[in-house]
Amino acid sequence: ILNVEQSPQSLHVQEGDSTNFTCSFPSSNFYALHWYRWETAKSPEALFVMTLNGDEKKKGRISATLNTKEGYSYLYIKGSQPEDSATYLCASSNDYKLSFGAGTTVTVRA
Amino acid sequence: NAGVMQNPRHLVRRRGQEARLRCSPMKGHSHVYWYRQLPEEGLKFMVYLQKENIIDESGMPKERFSAEFPKEGPSILRIQQVVRGDSAAYFCASSPRTGEDEQYFGPGTRLTVT
Repeated sequence: ILNVEQSPQSLHVQEGDSTNFTCSFPSSNFYALHWYRWETAKSPEALFVMTLNGDEKKKGRISATLNTKEGYSYLYIKGSQPEDSATYLCASSNDYKLSFGAGTTVTVRA
Repeated sequence: NAGVMQNPRHLVRRRGQEARLRCSPMKGHSHVYWYRQLPEEGLKFMVYLQKENIIDESGMPKERFSAEFPKEGPSILRIQQVVRGDSAAYFCASSPRTGEDEQYFGPGTRLTVT
């Protein structure tokens, strides 16, 4: 079992503001780090899979970085919009088994 | 290309009955994973299957739970003699390969045991 932690548990951000939050995971035997976006009553939506130390990935206004040596990843949302409101999950994997954090719930206020 | 399909979306069973949860992976995906979300908890891995084979069932309770992914048809997660503690959301995911591939999730089946 890989102990994955996310912080903060929840955050509120004003529309137009940027925000970021953290995922920490065991750095030993690291294989891959996954980010998902999960809206209520919908399927978790895959955002990124990262494997290399220093990886940076971007999808629209959302980006993520990875530090495998110290065991953390940041997710950034630039210019938050109401549709960005969701729970963002990270998961560390050992090849196929995803170990999820509890998520960071983002609420964007108009 | 349809996503991962799960049915039913909601299932109510009385204690002692059987629950069957179905998952149709995305077209071209031969790897299926089941995860469970208990109330107030995060997603937890249960089992990983490839066509006709169980690869890893280390996250699945030893008794009453079984999973299959036949050559034809959907993957089935079967829970016999359900108890109240089985009430949870069960999610299926699929991928074309393992490793660095993304796992694509279905909408889940919410099981309520009364």
